[in-house]
Amino acid sequence: GENVEQHPSTLSVQEGDSAVIKCTYSDSASNYFPWYKQELGKRPQLIIDIRSNVGEKKDQRIAVTLNKTAKHFSLHITETQPEDSAVYFCAASDPGTYKYIFGTGTRLKVLA
Amino acid sequence: GAVVSQHPSWVICKSGTSVKIECRSLDFQATTMFWYRQFPKQSLMLMATSNEGSKATYEQGVEKDKFLINHASLTLSTLTVTSAHPEDSSFYICSASTPRGQGYEQYFGPGTRLTVT
Repeated sequence: GENVEQHPSTLSVQEGDSAVIKCTYSDSASNYFPWYKQELGKRPQLIIDIRSNVGEKKDQRIAVTLNKTAKHFSLHITETQPEDSAVYFCAASDPGTYKYIFGTGTRLKVLA
Repeated sequence: GAVVSQHPSWVICKSGTSVKIECRSLDFQATTMFWYRQFPKQSLMLMATSNEGSKATYEQGVEKDKFLINHASLTLSTLTVTSAHPEDSSFYICSASTPRGQGYEQYFGPGTRLTVT
């Protein structure tokens, strides 16, 4: 089955700097890669996603890139703000099912 | 749109008792719902996939007799933790799947924090 690895586990950046979180997946048949933001005690919220027929997608300060050959995808947050502080999870669709396989999470701390 | 609710939001129960958690899709029909468990500072671990009108599919290592899942309608799935023990204390989150674009998207409920004393 699909396996997703995520790095780093923690990330601290100064306000205004960029943050990059990377994930790799194992099953080349996976075709959907969402990113979620989870604040303490709350539900995961979808912030951006990308499908396998696209290499990059951007939404204001957030972008995701996908390299199908290398089987990795990354989340880029520019001009970080304190409210970006949260845990971010990547996920990959499990081929043939509706399941998502989640990465281990990255705790992002934006320092004011 | 695409709102998922969970009830209760938190529950404390004594060891040995059973607890039922409800997951509802409020404004859409979900043929498939998922149940996750999340321990502090850890990722979401999929427990089972719940399909309306059929038996749930459990992930490896999840005891189906302990975590009973019922998906009686297109808008409701329930998870019952039977004979709960302190190690079952966790944050339980459901999600409901609905078509979006070329595929499907999962919408998450707000979670239920279970504490077993």
